Amino acid sequence: EAGVTQFPSHSVIEKGQTVTLRCDPISGHDNLYWYRRVMGKEIKFLLHFVKESKQDESGMPNNRFLAERTGGTYSTLKVQPAELEDSGVYFCASTRTGVKTQYFGPGTRLLVL
Amino acid sequence: GQQLNQSPQSMFIQEGEDVSMNCTSSSIFNTWLWYKQDPGEGPVLLIALYKAGELTSNGRLTAQFGTTRKDSFLNISASIPSDVGIYFCAGQLRYNQGGKLIFGQGTELSVKP
Repeated sequence: EAGVTQFPSHSVIEKGQTVTLRCDPISGHDNLYWYRRVMGKEIKFLLHFVKESKQDESGMPNNRFLAERTGGTYSTLKVQPAELEDSGVYFCASTRTGVKTQYFGPGTRLLVL
Repeated sequence: GQQLNQSPQSMFIQEGEDVSMNCTSSSIFNTWLWYKQDPGEGPVLLIALYKAGELTSNGRLTAQFGTTRKDSFLNISASIPSDVGIYFCAGQLRYNQGGKLIFGQGTELSVKP
């Protein structure tokens, strides 16, 4: 069974540009989560999808961040326009409904210059 | 928002030594989890704890769910070089059915051969 995959692995952009991150969860996992780790701090929750619906988006920092999961399979997280403080590692995790263990992808390392 | 206080932030030990790290919170958690992150990878689940007072082992790793549901510790015995990485505690709040994880700041472990 393939694990959670994320693309790209690294992204370096300039302030004001747009970046789109992609996450492919494990097949059959209805629950998809986005998290972010900034500058060696804790990993922080951003939002949670159940299939294509946003279950909890309480962790989204502001309206420059837009997450989608059309069709309930892969998800994208777009940052527009990017700011310096958006730099960090963005993780995606997935799990089946009723299962507590979340499986994490390798992350996308975003650097905004 | 909810916070987990994880300590120590970093540890430098000699191969063969035992390691102990812990997490505390002012909130009650339903589940405590311990993850390890290797460089360039995403967090991988080491141990999951579901009951207050539960003590669980996974090889050289032992973790306990505090009886107050507000703390947990992880012990690693007889450390080896491949134990190097960042260890995160994470909890799921009692009232949150969506399953989002609250993470500690991480403990960076370095093992000298």
